[in-house]
Amino acid sequence: AQSVTQLGSHVSVSEGALVLLRCNYSSSVPPYLFWYVQYPNQGLQLLLKYTSAATLVKGINGFEAEFKKSETSFHLTKPSAHMSDAAEYFCAVSDKGYSTLTFGKGTMLLVSP
Amino acid sequence: KAGVTQTPRYLIKTRGQQVTLSCSPISGHRSVSWYQQTPGQGLQFLFEYFSETQRNKGNFPGRFSGRQFSNSRSEMNVSTLELGDSALYLCASSQTGSTDTQYFGPGTRLTVL
Repeated sequence: AQSVTQLGSHVSVSEGALVLLRCNYSSSVPPYLFWYVQYPNQGLQLLLKYTSAATLVKGINGFEAEFKKSETSFHLTKPSAHMSDAAEYFCAVSDKGYSTLTFGKGTMLLVSP
Repeated sequence: KAGVTQTPRYLIKTRGQQVTLSCSPISGHRSVSWYQQTPGQGLQFLFEYFSETQRNKGNFPGRFSGRQFSNSRSEMNVSTLELGDSALYLCASSQTGSTDTQYFGPGTRLTVL
């Protein structure tokens, strides 16, 4: 069975600092990997997805993630945090295509001025 | 293009009742997936429908059921509600549910008293 582990339920950064949200996965087959963001009282918005085309994936709002098979990781980064990045971030994996996602528990990103 | 819409947005029920939630996918999308989000269990996949057929199912009891209509709109039903069914129920649609992006609706917040 596939699973996703997100290290840290809460991550705090200062505005302008590097954002690093960690995600490790387990999957018996080459996975599809995703990062979603959820703002309060809203649904999920796709930030980026890995589909084996390139190990470094660029997404929206300046976010990117690197797929490292040897470490089974797919960490999310952004060089400089903005106040508007404060939200909850979810890493997800699927080995049946995009419609059956297994999510991590989520990481709440807090950005202070 | 209108996004995924879910109705109602908020719902309060009592234990033992049943409830029906509705999801209208983006025009042209034929795959609809449902997820349950709770503070304790996080985001969990319920089921996926494609062309009026249930294609994938998560690990939920038979009290949770769904269907999809010929216009791709989907409903999910929960019978004999329990307190633990209180959650945000998210619907997501995609064109085929295979390798295309899933778009999420804002969710229906169900409270069981």
